[in-house]
Order: sequence, then structure tokens, then C-alpha cells
Amino acid sequence: GAVVSQHPSWVICKSGTSVKIECRSLDFQATTMFWYRQFPKQSLMLMATSNEGSKATYEQGVEKDKFLINHASLTLSTLTVTSAHPEDSSFYICSASYWSLLQYFGPGTRLTVT
Amino acid sequence: AQTVTQSQPEMSVQEAETVTLSCTYDTSESDYYLFWYKQPPSRQMILVIRQEAYKQQNATENRFSVNFQKAAKSFSLKISDSQLGDAAMYFCAYRSAGKDDKIIFGKGTRLHILP
Repeated sequence: GAVVSQHPSWVICKSGTSVKIECRSLDFQATTMFWYRQFPKQSLMLMATSNEGSKATYEQGVEKDKFLINHASLTLSTLTVTSAHPEDSSFYICSASYWSLLQYFGPGTRLTVT
Repeated sequence: AQTVTQSQPEMSVQEAETVTLSCTYDTSESDYYLFWYKQPPSRQMILVIRQEAYKQQNATENRFSVNFQKAAKSFSLKISDSQLGDAAMYFCAYRSAGKDDKIIFGKGTRLHILP
């Protein structure tokens, strides 16, 4: 139980375009979803927290207009990287929780911006 | 603000031996949770073990155990009978017991298992 999926697992896009990453909780309803960014050989950096039906809360230093997060249902959250640039290339990980101290992590999405 | 510090960027251990990964944290809260996560080459985050701060007893999960020293704000992970599959990045993490459910991760320790 408590499976979280992400799609796509790897995406390559051209500089200036937008790309959407989906995060789904497959067997539970996620009241809260989290988006992390992880650079090579570094730790996870929390980007934002989203609750179903409300606006996401972004961490300090994260550009809200660049990283659009939508948590439209209890099983789906999306992260859209707008006007992507090569420096946005990274590994993006989502996690989900349901009134629980445990976060269940997705497998991650590798974004490469050329 | 809470911080989590892992002072060992990399460690190596011989297969079947025991290794201890260190973690210290800083908080002014009295109630919180501590975790160790494993991130293998697949990059899937896997929860290894968790500890509730109000519990004095150290958590144990099969070959994994922790040494939780609340007063010293120390939370080390001991892996016994190390196996090749234990090779991974290990992150120590902190979560407040309050409404804020964010997890704060340390920088990680890369564990190599020597055959």
C-alpha cells in the first residue's frame, strides 16, 4: 500500500518551453503533497507543500511563477516548470501523506533542459 | 529553525560487518520525529526507520537500529551484517510533531559496501 507514482520518469525539453510533472497517490487519498528538488549528489530540497483544493505554500527562494503547483484532487498534484532553462535541470521528487506523519515518496522525475 | 547535520559525506564497510552513520540535529521543540531514509541508485526514497522523540526506547528494524540520545540531540543509525544491497545514500531527517509536517533532511552519507 501507499504507492506514489510520478510521470514522466524522464523528460527532455527545450529552453523556453514549459513542462508538467504529475504526482499521483495510487491507493490512498493524499491530503498533502510535497515537491522536492534534488541536485546531483545533494540532499532533497523542499520546494513547496500543497493541500488539496488550496494554493501551494512555497519555500523561501522558490519562484512561484516559475514552478506552478496544482493539487486539484486528493490523488493528483502537478508541478509545471514554466519557461524552463538549463539551470532548472534537476531531479524532482514528490511525496504524499494522508493525515499521517509518514510521507510516501514517488520515484522521481529527471528533467533535462537543453 | 531546525537543522540536521550529517558529518560523514561517505563511509565504507566490509560486507557482513557493522557500520554506524552519525546524525545530529538542532531544535527547540520537545516533541518531534526522526527518520533515516535510504536512497539507492534508483533514487527511490525508502524509509528505513523512525523514532518518536517521546519514546526512550531505541527503534529497531531487523538489521537496522538507532541510538537516540535526546539530550545530546544525536540520532545515529547502526547497520548490522552489512549487505551489498545496503549500498546507498542515507539521509537523516527531522519532522516536527506539530502542525508543520515538513521533513528536514540532512545532506546525506553515501555508504559503500566492500565485497
